[in-house]
Amino acid sequence: TQLLEQSPQFLSIQEGENLTVYCNSSSVFSSLQWYRQEPGEGPVLLVTVVTGGEVKKLKRLTFQFGDARKDSSLHITAAQTGDTGLYLCAGEWSGTYKYIFGTGTRLKVLA
Amino acid sequence: GAGVSQTPSNKVTEKGKYVELRCDPISGHTALYWYRQSLGQGPEFLIYFQGTGAADDSGLPNDRFFAVRPEGSVSTLKIQRTERGDSAVYLCASSWGSKGYNEQFFGPGTRLTVL
Repeated sequence: TQLLEQSPQFLSIQEGENLTVYCNSSSVFSSLQWYRQEPGEGPVLLVTVVTGGEVKKLKRLTFQFGDARKDSSLHITAAQTGDTGLYLCAGEWSGTYKYIFGTGTRLKVLA
Repeated sequence: GAGVSQTPSNKVTEKGKYVELRCDPISGHTALYWYRQSLGQGPEFLIYFQGTGAADDSGLPNDRFFAVRPEGSVSTLKIQRTERGDSAVYLCASSWGSKGYNEQFFGPGTRLTVL
């Protein structure tokens, strides 16, 4: 059972466009991470958010943790072809170190 | 330094056979995780080790799956009487195991195909 739903599942956009990916749950997490995964490789951590309402920026990527720590969003400004990949959110259960991954958003940025 | 390595990278086996998948974590990392990822899905938690002990094995699907980490470093995931539904990429990750910013470093995975 996937407790973290991501939307959209697939996204194909032109280079230079903006996009937002959502990660939603009915459960509260003590922290939430975003990863990017490329074919044939393991996921690579982009960011960890810990505090409700927290916003973090990583170059053109902006991450937000919901006030209630149940949801998160990832916004990419002026997407580039190098942003293509599978984006995954992962929530940590109440400081247990156990992580539940979302269903994933497959992003394709076209030149 | 070396990242997380997993062997073999690919494993093809027949239904009913036994397989072992190996994970070499980053040196010094106390926490080690196993996940299973089906095509187009996010990784599914299987088991988490803190040192030598399995701190949480609630994700193991049934008693055909077992994992060990005898010396607190290398881990082996063992699957008995494999079934076609076990086909997936098995990912291993390691981390420092500290609270808060617990970055998991993933290996490239072992692709298991059960014929």
